[in-house]
Amino acid sequence: EAGVTQFPSHSVIEKGQTVTLRCDPISGHDNLYWYRRVMGKEIKFLLHFVKESKQDESGMPNNRFLAERTGGTYSTLKVQPAELEDSGVYFCASSQDGQGAYNEQFFGPGTRLTVL
Amino acid sequence: LAKTTQPISMDSYEGQEVNITCSHNNIATNDYITWYQQFPSQGPRFIIQGYKTKVTNEVASLFIPADRKSSTLSLPRVSLSDTAVYYCLVGDPTGRRALTFGSGTRLQVQP
Repeated sequence: EAGVTQFPSHSVIEKGQTVTLRCDPISGHDNLYWYRRVMGKEIKFLLHFVKESKQDESGMPNNRFLAERTGGTYSTLKVQPAELEDSGVYFCASSQDGQGAYNEQFFGPGTRLTVL
Repeated sequence: LAKTTQPISMDSYEGQEVNITCSHNNIATNDYITWYQQFPSQGPRFIIQGYKTKVTNEVASLFIPADRKSSTLSLPRVSLSDTAVYYCLVGDPTGRRALTFGSGTRLQVQP
């Protein structure tokens, strides 16, 4: 079974440009999460989708970040315009929504974003 | 959310048992304790979860005292491939909510 995949693995852009990150969750997982770690900091939650709906977007830093999840499948995270402080590693995770047992979150390898 | 405190780093040698302790003094009654492992250039990976006493799986054991204000992740006979960052998380037992990561413990296993 394929795990969570993210594209691209690395992205280097200049300040003011736009970047779109993509996440493909494990098939059948209704929950999709975005996290990021900026240099020297802890991994921080950005937002949570349940299917195509945004369940919790309290971690989104500002309106330069826009996340979508078309049809409840893959998700994109767009940063427009990118700023220097947006540099970091962006992780995507997915989990099932079954009852009872712990629904562990499966993480992708992350996208390393560098804004120059 | 309960705050967790872990050692920043630990060193060990191959074949040794490693115990990483996490403090969570403000753990709530409904909170579970979950540990994730993260290798370089990878996302975190679930290791083990528990509520009280002892839980063991093929990877690790988790010891939780009666007051649940701390927990200890035990890795038996570590190898070089166990070099990673280990995160202790406290909260929602279902895993559906966002995870709150602390700074984790960076374990370095030497030959």
